[in-house]
Amino acid sequence: QLVLTQSPSASASLGASVKLTCTLSSGHTSYAIAWHQQQPEKGPRYLMKLNSDGSHTKGGGIPDRFSGSSSGAERYLTISSLQSEDEADYYCQTWGTGIVVFGGGTKLTVL
Amino acid sequence: EVQLVESGGGLVKPGGSLRLSCAASGFTFSNAWMSWVRQAPGKGLEWVGRIKRKTDGEATDYAAPVKGRFTISRDDSKKTLYLQMNSLKTEDTAVYYCTVSNGVVDYWGQGTQVTVSS
Repeated sequence: QLVLTQSPSASASLGASVKLTCTLSSGHTSYAIAWHQQQPEKGPRYLMKLNSDGSHTKGGGIPDRFSGSSSGAERYLTISSLQSEDEADYYCQTWGTGIVVFGGGTKLTVL
Repeated sequence: EVQLVESGGGLVKPGGSLRLSCAASGFTFSNAWMSWVRQAPGKGLEWVGRIKRKTDGEATDYAAPVKGRFTISRDDSKKTLYLQMNSLKTEDTAVYYCTVSNGVVDYWGQGTQVTVSS
């Protein structure tokens, strides 16, 4: 079964960096994913597509502070030079034959 | 600029029906696979279903909780995506988002609220 697992919460200080993790289920570790950001009281926004080799393609207007990387079943979103507007929920998403799957989301708090 | 504008949300009683629409612009709608994604109050994102483009047979796929009750369709001449929701349950209460989803969900609408309550 295709499942994405995310930690429910993370926190980091203003100006620091944070690395969020999304884990693919067994048997699906080569899958590409996408990362999405949802700021409070707003709709989601596509951040990037992240491949298993760590290569990634960002959506229009996404700052360079956002980057992605991969290792095995893990897919990472790194946000550097954290700003207050980065406080949001972050979701990973993937797809298979006849299905689209979202992770449970990580709530990022900027201290 | 890609724009997806949902409409048709509202308050409906359990067992009732509702049809959502999504007007698309700024991209070649007829080439796109489109999905509906929903978000219940205080919860995460949940994929509802997807429709492929005409050249892929306009095939549809649905998430288990809505299969048999919801139907996705499209009108390429109007650049509009639809979600017909029947036999609505209280657990269908959510904001419904229209998305472009050729694998990756890479564009989102602003969402429309659906509330199922007696």
